[in-house]
Amino acid sequence: GAGVSQTPSNKVTEKGKYVELRCDPISGHTALYWYRQSLGQGPEFLIYFQGTGAADDSGLPNDRFFAVRPEGSVSTLKIQRTERGDSAVYLCASSRGPGYTGELFFGEGSRLTVL
Amino acid sequence: DQQVKQNSPSLSVQEGRISILNCDYTNSMFDYFLWYKKYPAEGPTFLISISSIKDKNEDGRFTVFLNKSAKHLSLHIVPSQPGDSAVYFCAASAHGSSNTGKLIFGQGTTLQVKP
Repeated sequence: GAGVSQTPSNKVTEKGKYVELRCDPISGHTALYWYRQSLGQGPEFLIYFQGTGAADDSGLPNDRFFAVRPEGSVSTLKIQRTERGDSAVYLCASSRGPGYTGELFFGEGSRLTVL
Repeated sequence: DQQVKQNSPSLSVQEGRISILNCDYTNSMFDYFLWYKKYPAEGPTFLISISSIKDKNEDGRFTVFLNKSAKHLSLHIVPSQPGDSAVYFCAASAHGSSNTGKLIFGQGTTLQVKP
């Protein structure tokens, strides 16, 4: 498809488990972002990739959260030892990259529920 | 520290009337502002943007106004239509030398347009 694709759309897991969320950005977009949206809040920045490297990971809440983008396209957000407070919608977005002044294109999100 | 604030969680207007959504920011380094619209179970979609060198940008029924001295922007929708009912997020970025394109979002305002 032409848009940002995220899988799974829904994930229910138990406290303490490991979770992976996948994002496939728009073809040709070099910049990729992960955001987290909790109920009643706006999207909260987690991490930004330019190509394969994490250029800004200042939003990752703690070391249980990690993200990779090994080939500069698909990215995976990894959450270890999940906690109930990790329950949220995880949004991925992409854009054309540095020097581009414009909007981010978002996927539909992956809703994570930690029981 | 909430750098982008939308102080009205909800707004209800009659079809055909004007909707005005407000947003305040605190970071004087922000130089680009965007409005996103979000329907349930979908990702945010870009609506309209404005650079800090302008004070107004118009696109059809949507106009964004920027008051830099007050660190305030607003989105006007006129005439409002029932299909405009959604959550609206204000977002800001600071391009500067890093130019990551990272957006900081407000909490959102839920707009309901009544037929």
